[in-house]
Amino acid sequence: DQQVKQNSPSLSVQEGRISILNCDYTNSMFDYFLWYKKYPAEGPTFLISISSIKDKNEDGRFTVFLNKSAKHLSLHIVPSQPGDSAVYFCAASGSNTGKLIFGQGTTLQVKP
Amino acid sequence: DTAVSQTPKYLVTQMGNDKSIKCEQNLGHDTMYWYKQDSKKFLKIMFSYNNKELIINETVPNRFSPKSPDKAHLNLHINSLELGDSAVYFCASSQPTGTGAYNEQFFGPGTRLTVL
Repeated sequence: DQQVKQNSPSLSVQEGRISILNCDYTNSMFDYFLWYKKYPAEGPTFLISISSIKDKNEDGRFTVFLNKSAKHLSLHIVPSQPGDSAVYFCAASGSNTGKLIFGQGTTLQVKP
Repeated sequence: DTAVSQTPKYLVTQMGNDKSIKCEQNLGHDTMYWYKQDSKKFLKIMFSYNNKELIINETVPNRFSPKSPDKAHLNLHINSLELGDSAVYFCASSQPTGTGAYNEQFFGPGTRLTVL
């Protein structure tokens, strides 16, 4: 059973436009959510996180939105840049376990 | 200065062999993890150690044995390798916040294991 799902395997956007990556989860015990970015042959790199007590967290061009009632979060990248092209993983944890449950990733391609 | 490093980066071996992957972090973190990314690209946690003590042990065959000689190192030893063990293995570390929660995890570059 996949507790964290990223239903779009890929996304292509034009440089300068907004990229929106989506993530759904099923476990209501999750209270901390993270987005990671991964380039080929490298490890995932932490991007941004949000606690369940918030519904929005912003860091520069990156904003994460959390809708607890819908068990849905999204990552907005504005404006998108070609260097943002990578695989983006959504992850969730709960109950102070430190255990991250990852989605299957969305490959973002930003075209110049 | 690499924060989380793993060796080797690539490992090709025959079925039935025993191999080890090493991980070191210089971030001063207390907690370290091993993840497996399979052919379908799912990243799944295998083990976690906090200050050399095992705290997470997922449903992993007992052919896999983590060892933490100190809190900066977490090695993964795999006995009797099988074809299905082929995957990319990532090490990660994080620091508990002090309130029982954990901060974000920092990942190593991964070790691509191929079992022939």
